[in-house]
Amino acid sequence: GAGVSQSPSNKVTEKGKDVELRCDPISGHTALYWYRQRLGQGLEFLIYFQGNSAPDKSGLPSDRFSAERTGESVSTLTIQRTQQEDSAVYLCASSLATGGGTDTQYFGPGTRLTVL
Amino acid sequence: AQTVTQSQPEMSVQEAETVTLSCTYDTSENNYYLFWYKQPPSRQMILVIRQEAYKQQNATENRFSVNFQKAAKSFSLKISDSQLGDTAMYFCAFMKRGGGSEKLVFGKGTKLTVNP
Repeated sequence: GAGVSQSPSNKVTEKGKDVELRCDPISGHTALYWYRQRLGQGLEFLIYFQGNSAPDKSGLPSDRFSAERTGESVSTLTIQRTQQEDSAVYLCASSLATGGGTDTQYFGPGTRLTVL
Repeated sequence: AQTVTQSQPEMSVQEAETVTLSCTYDTSENNYYLFWYKQPPSRQMILVIRQEAYKQQNATENRFSVNFQKAAKSFSLKISDSQLGDTAMYFCAFMKRGGGSEKLVFGKGTKLTVNP
């Protein structure tokens, strides 16, 4: 595709339910990032994938949060037993990650999660 | 840990005028990158400009330029000839070079409104 895509665009769920958020990176981009943006705040890093492995999971806020990536492409962020404080926009970004540290991260439009 | 501070929650400017957005950061690293991202109401994060810390010359992209003061750890964004389409949230971000995870650390953002 032309850019990073995310689905769904919006998700409303009830407290305690599990949700899955999907990210399709730009084709050929080996690095993939998940960020969370709470209302009126900047983005917080959650997890980084290089290929299918996740060398940096330091931003995941609790063990209710997990993510996987398959085929060096699609990634899924799963939130189990959602809480109201999980309400936020979840943004995905990808980059070429050629190792030079200069690769621009291209962002998707995000998924707005609302936990009632 | 790195931190990024944007001290202006909101700013406004008249169309065709110039505006400067402030950003300071704190790091003990010597090799890093700084970015300004724009986020319009569509939620899409768009890279505006990037600065490599090892470069003394300030980056410029058309109407956008930065004033990078490494010793002062300051990285302001100047928008010249402001246009209505520049209305958006602007985020300053820091990336440590190397170390495996090139995650971005964001400030809380400045909401810029360009008035006709």
